[in-house]
Amino acid sequence: DAGVIQSPRHEVTEMGQEVTLRCKPISGHNSLFWYRQTMMRGLELLIYFNNNVPIDDSGMPEDRFSAKMPNASFSTLKIQPSEPRDSAVYFCASSFDNSNYGYTFGSGTRLTVV
Amino acid sequence: RKEVEQDPGPFNVPEGATVAFNCTYSNSASQSFFWYRQDCRKEPKLLMSVYSSGNEDGRFTAQLNRASQYISLLIRDSKLSDSATYLCAVKGFQKLVFGTGTRLLVSP
Repeated sequence: DAGVIQSPRHEVTEMGQEVTLRCKPISGHNSLFWYRQTMMRGLELLIYFNNNVPIDDSGMPEDRFSAKMPNASFSTLKIQPSEPRDSAVYFCASSFDNSNYGYTFGSGTRLTVV
Repeated sequence: RKEVEQDPGPFNVPEGATVAFNCTYSNSASQSFFWYRQDCRKEPKLLMSVYSSGNEDGRFTAQLNRASQYISLLIRDSKLSDSATYLCAVKGFQKLVFGTGTRLLVSP
C-alpha cells in the first residue's frame, strides 16, 4: 500500500502565480480531504469529497481556491492567484466512508509564496 | 469558541514520567474520537481511536467523557521517542476536526 501520495513536496512561487497541488488517495478509499496547516490556525479542513463529489467546501478561504476530483484516484487543489498568506503546509487525506475510522494523511505540500 | 480545544503546551517531562493531555470539544453530536501524533515537518499519523469505555495500547491510554465533552490521552513511562505534537480529533458527519495540538518534549 503506497499510502496517500501528494506532489509536489515543496513549492516556492511568486505572488500572483497559479499553484496546483496534487493528491492520489489510497486505493479503495472513497472520501478525500484537503487540509491546510499553519502555526497560527493549526489544521483546517478546506474541502472534502465523497465518491468524487464535493460535499462541503465551507472551509475554502476564498474564490482564489478551487478543488477538483475528476476520478477516484486523483484530486487537485488550485490557488489562483497565490498570495503570501497562502503559505502553509497543505495535506491531503483519505478514508473509508465510515465514521469509526480516522484518516490517512499524505506527506503534505509545503507551499511558500514570496 | 473553537470546536476542539487543546492546551498547546509544551509539556516538558523527564524520561519515565507519566503525562496526560486533555482535549475538549463543543459538538455534543460528535460520533468518533481520535488521537494523532505529528512529528516535526511530518504528516499527522493516527495514534489511536478513543472509545467510550476507554482503551489502552501499550503505554498509551485514551478515555472519553461524553457528559463533560472531553477526551484524554495518558502516556506512561515516557520515552525520548514520544517527543512529538499530539493532536486530538473529533468527527461529526464525515468531518474530522482537529485541535491545534499539544507539544510534548521528553528529556533524558
